[in-house]
Amino acid sequence: GAVVSQHPSWVICKSGTSVKIECRSLDFQATTMFWYRQFPKKSLMLMATSNEGSKATYEQGVEKDKFLINHASLTLSTLTVTSAHPEDSSFYICSARGTYRMSLLYTDTQYFGPGTRLTVL
Amino acid sequence: ELKVEQNPLFLSMQEGKNYTIYCNYSTTSDRLYWYRQDPGKSLESLFVLLSNGAVKQEGRLMASLDTKARLSTLHITAAVHDLSATYFCAVDKMKAGKSTFGDGTTLTVKP
Repeated sequence: GAVVSQHPSWVICKSGTSVKIECRSLDFQATTMFWYRQFPKKSLMLMATSNEGSKATYEQGVEKDKFLINHASLTLSTLTVTSAHPEDSSFYICSARGTYRMSLLYTDTQYFGPGTRLTVL
Repeated sequence: ELKVEQNPLFLSMQEGKNYTIYCNYSTTSDRLYWYRQDPGKSLESLFVLLSNGAVKQEGRLMASLDTKARLSTLHITAAVHDLSATYFCAVDKMKAGKSTFGDGTTLTVKP
């Protein structure tokens, strides 16, 4: 199956700082990437959908200016949490859909990254 | 708005027993997914169900889909401790390209 990586795996930062999380697809071209956040013992909440080369589509209630998403290439999407506050502490997970490089077969399956645990002090 | 409901939310069972987790959804959808999540980890894809009557099996887990009833089931056969995890179902709304997740079922298998 396809591999999606996230970096960093965990980050602890002070309130007011910005944090960037990277999501990379390693063996396929991710035409669409999704960003989720998950609170402890809760389900995944979709934050935004991004298509390569275009602006992200945010879900209702998600602040666009707070959670900046860039999907500049078919292998990389970034989520920047700007001016982070303790209530932004969460587990952030990206996922990707796209086309396998070797076979050019499109897959509808979402492949999830390992997640990034953000703690804002 | 697409809603996805799972039940039960928590399940404790003994090794060797069988049980079924249910996933109901509110509107017509393209496809249904089952995922597994271990504590502190991300999601692992288990099954993708595309059509009415679809049944897929992997080891002790079997998933089925009834699109008319808008219901999917994940059946666990002869549970073992290694199956302890949280299981999510997720549904794609027609042509929306994004998934709506259920609340998850946390399964604990005791010896």
